Amino acid sequence: AQSVTQPDIHITVSEGASLELRCNYSYGATPYLFWYVQSPGQGLQLLLKYFSGDTLVQGIKGFEAEFKRSQSSFNLRKPSVHWSDAAEYFCAVGANAGNMLTFGGGTRLMVKP
Amino acid sequence: EPEVTQTPSHQVTQMGQEVILRCVPISNHLYFYWYRQILGQKVEFLVSFYNNEISEKSEIFDDQFSVERPDGSNFTLKIRSTKLEDSAMYFCASSQPGQGYNEQFFGPGTRLTVL
Repeated sequence: AQSVTQPDIHITVSEGASLELRCNYSYGATPYLFWYVQSPGQGLQLLLKYFSGDTLVQGIKGFEAEFKRSQSSFNLRKPSVHWSDAAEYFCAVGANAGNMLTFGGGTRLMVKP
Repeated sequence: EPEVTQTPSHQVTQMGQEVILRCVPISNHLYFYWYRQILGQKVEFLVSFYNNEISEKSEIFDDQFSVERPDGSNFTLKIRSTKLEDSAMYFCASSQPGQGYNEQFFGPGTRLTVL
C-alpha cells in the first residue's frame, strides 16, 4: 500500500527566506507525485506534479520539487517566500489513472514579516 | 479554465438525517472521486467512480455512503444517516485518464456539519 509522510507539521519562515518542505513516500512502483496547497477555508490547488523524466519539476507560484528515488523523497522548495505563501501544503502519491491519491498529513507554513 | 464545482458550500444537518452532496466534474473527465478532510486532519480517500460503477473504495466508505452519477453532468455523494463523526470537508475531484497518469482536479469542497 502506498503511504506519504510529511515529517514537519508546522514550519515558520521569514518573508524572503528560502523554504523546503519535506515529503517521503512509500510505493512499490514508479510513483506519480503531487504537491497541493490549501489556503484557510479553501480547496486544494495543484502546485506541481512529477510523472517521469526530469527529476526537478517546476510549478506555479515559483515552487519547484525534486524527485529523489534513492531517498524516496519529493521535497518542495521555494527560493524566496512571500507572505501569501502561508497555507497548508500536502504531498500526495498516486498510481495509474483512476487510482486514489494518498495524502500526507500536511505541513502548515507560517510566514513572519 | 474548466473547474470542478460543488454545492452546497456548507451543509448543516441533524444527526440521523440524509444528506446529498453534489459535484459537477470537468466535462470531459471520466474518473470521479470523493475525499474528505476532518478538521485539522489529512485528506482521506473515500471512493472512485468510473464507467458508472465504483472502481475503488476505502474502509471509510461503508454502507451509509453511496455515490451516483444521475445524469451526464452531476456526481453525488449520499450519506444515509449522518453521524457526528461525518462532520468534515468533502472534496470532489475528477480526472481524465491518459498516458497512465492521474492528475486529479479538486473542487472547493462542501463543509458538512452534523449536529
